[in-house]
Amino acid sequence: EAGVTQFPSHSVIEKGQTVTLRCDPISGHDNLYWYRRVMGKEIKFLLHFVKESKQDESGMPNNRFLAERTGGTYSTLKVQPAELEDSGVYFCASSQVSIEAFFGQGTRLTVV
Amino acid sequence: GEDVEQSLFLSVREGDSSVINCTYTDSSSTYLYWYKQEPGAGLQLLTYIFSNMDMKQDQRLTVLLNKKDKHLSLRIADTQTGDSAIYFCAESFTGGGNKLTFGTGTQLKVEL
Repeated sequence: EAGVTQFPSHSVIEKGQTVTLRCDPISGHDNLYWYRRVMGKEIKFLLHFVKESKQDESGMPNNRFLAERTGGTYSTLKVQPAELEDSGVYFCASSQVSIEAFFGQGTRLTVV
Repeated sequence: GEDVEQSLFLSVREGDSSVINCTYTDSSSTYLYWYKQEPGAGLQLLTYIFSNMDMKQDQRLTVLLNKKDKHLSLRIADTQTGDSAIYFCAESFTGGGNKLTFGTGTQLKVEL
């Protein structure tokens, strides 16, 4: 069974540009989460989808971040325009009705 | 509020036991987790403990929970070089949709 996959694994963009991160959850998992780890700090929750609906987006830092999950399958997280402080590792996780969330390998975003 | 704290670094010799500590502030947590992140990889769930338990053992791993002091620890017996990684503790809450609150992570270095 394929795990959670994220694309790209690494992205370097200039300040002001747009970047779109993608997450493919484990097939059949209704729950999809985005997290972010900035500069060696704690991993912080961004938002939670249940199927295609946003269940909780309390962790989204500002309106430059837009997450979508059309059709309840894969999800995208777009940052527009990117700022220096957006640099970090973005993790995606998925789960079914269980206590275990499966994480992808993360996308390292560097804004220069 | 939610706040999970860990020490940043731990160095042990191969064959010794490692103890990684974590403190949290929110007493309403339901599950407490330990995740492992190896270089270039995603987060791997190592073990978890339900908040009404005091201890859980799984092969070389022992989790101790002191709910009164809000203290969680992970003991790795007979630490091997392959155990070198970042270890994150995390908590989730009933009704929180499995949203995880992570600590800053402890970098474990195993020396020969």
